[in-house]
Amino acid sequence: GAGVSQSPSNKVTEKGKDVELRCDPISGHTALYWYRQSLGQGLEFLIYFQGNSAPDKSGLPSDRFSAERTGGSVSTLTIQRTQQEDSAVYLCASSLAQAWGREQFFGPGTRLTVL
Amino acid sequence: AQKVTQAQTEISVVEKEDVTLDCVYETRDTTYYLFWYKQPPSGELVFLIRRNSFDEQNEISGRYSWNFQKSTSSFNFTITASQVVDSAVYFCALSGDSGSARQLTFGSGTQLTVLP
Repeated sequence: GAGVSQSPSNKVTEKGKDVELRCDPISGHTALYWYRQSLGQGLEFLIYFQGNSAPDKSGLPSDRFSAERTGGSVSTLTIQRTQQEDSAVYLCASSLAQAWGREQFFGPGTRLTVL
Repeated sequence: AQKVTQAQTEISVVEKEDVTLDCVYETRDTTYYLFWYKQPPSGELVFLIRRNSFDEQNEISGRYSWNFQKSTSSFNFTITASQVVDSAVYFCALSGDSGSARQLTFGSGTQLTVLP
């Protein structure tokens, strides 16, 4: 079966523009996570979706960041009014439901560059 | 709060040498999971192993082995007879059992370079 897929693989944008990053989790995985990997901050948790429960947004760095997950599958991470410090690789991961501590399977990431 | 420390930023070895990557963690949870992930130059994080806090048995998988010691809060990873293809960044991670602790908390990673 297919792994986690993300699009686009690379995104270059100008400061102040909005961007949308997409994640397709592994089929059957109802838990979905977004992380950010940057040089200065390492790998940081952003947001977590589990089934129909309210998402855990505790890692979102500001209200410019939001995410949604439609139909329990595909997720979109939106960054509004991008800033240069938003430049990073955004990673999506999915895991099996109901069993926390399950291994998370990661996508290839979207490299975002804000000019 | 949980924390993972990988004190070794970079390690360089010659092929066929053994190498150990250190990982020390902090958590207030009594139940937790520890992980190792590999990130090769291609960038995709690859799951290597998961260990729960109640299982202190060491594990061996081919050239890889893991040493989990709760007494020292460590979960070290050893590669035996290293190969050039082992060159990657290796991340140790922790997942607790309470609320927001359930997401992965990663260490800063260890860049391993295996020279031919």
